[in-house]
Amino acid sequence: AQSVSQHNHHVILSEAASLELGCNYSYGGTVNLFWYVQYPGQHLQLLLKYFSGDPLVKGIKGFEAEFIKSKFSFNLRKPSVQWSDTAEYFCAVIPSGAGSYQLTFGKGTKLSVIP
Amino acid sequence: GAGVSQSPRYKVAKRGQDVALRCDPISGHVSLFWYQQALGQGPEFLTYFQNEAQLDKSGLPSDRFFAERPEGSVSTLKIQRTQQEDSAVYLCASSSNRPYEQYFGPGTRLTVT
Repeated sequence: AQSVSQHNHHVILSEAASLELGCNYSYGGTVNLFWYVQYPGQHLQLLLKYFSGDPLVKGIKGFEAEFIKSKFSFNLRKPSVQWSDTAEYFCAVIPSGAGSYQLTFGKGTKLSVIP
Repeated sequence: GAGVSQSPRYKVAKRGQDVALRCDPISGHVSLFWYQQALGQGPEFLTYFQNEAQLDKSGLPSDRFFAERPEGSVSTLKIQRTQQEDSAVYLCASSSNRPYEQYFGPGTRLTVT
């Protein structure tokens, strides 16, 4: 079975600082990868996704993530964070192929951006 | 358009009570999922429906948990004889014919006292 680990439980940054949140997955085959974001009081929203092709994926609000197959990693980055990026971020994986549907999530990383 | 909706948003139950949590998926979405999110954890898969058929219930933690989707749209997650360890946020998600792209509802926060 697949698993996802997120290295940081809580990250605190000042506005304009650069962000990188780590995500590693464990699975022997090909996977589809996701980052979800949950803003305070709101529901989980899809930030970006990787299915195949270019391993550098761009999402909404200036976020991007890079899939490095050899490292089983899918780290989330943003060059300059804003106070409005304060939220909890979840990395998730689904194995590729027909019949796969079960999202496996990491425990999440809480990001606090200080104005 | 309307997203996934869930009701109630908050539920407090005394230990031993039965609860029913409702999910209204996005109109036309054939796939529906339930996840459980404990405090400080990521969501964990409970069960999966394709239309009215429950294709996977491997994540349901015990036989006290039961889910149904009788007409292939609205779904209900029922928990019988609630226990304190059932306290969590219960998330519903739906997708079209691509189960990779799941849209989540706001969740129901269940507190068992």
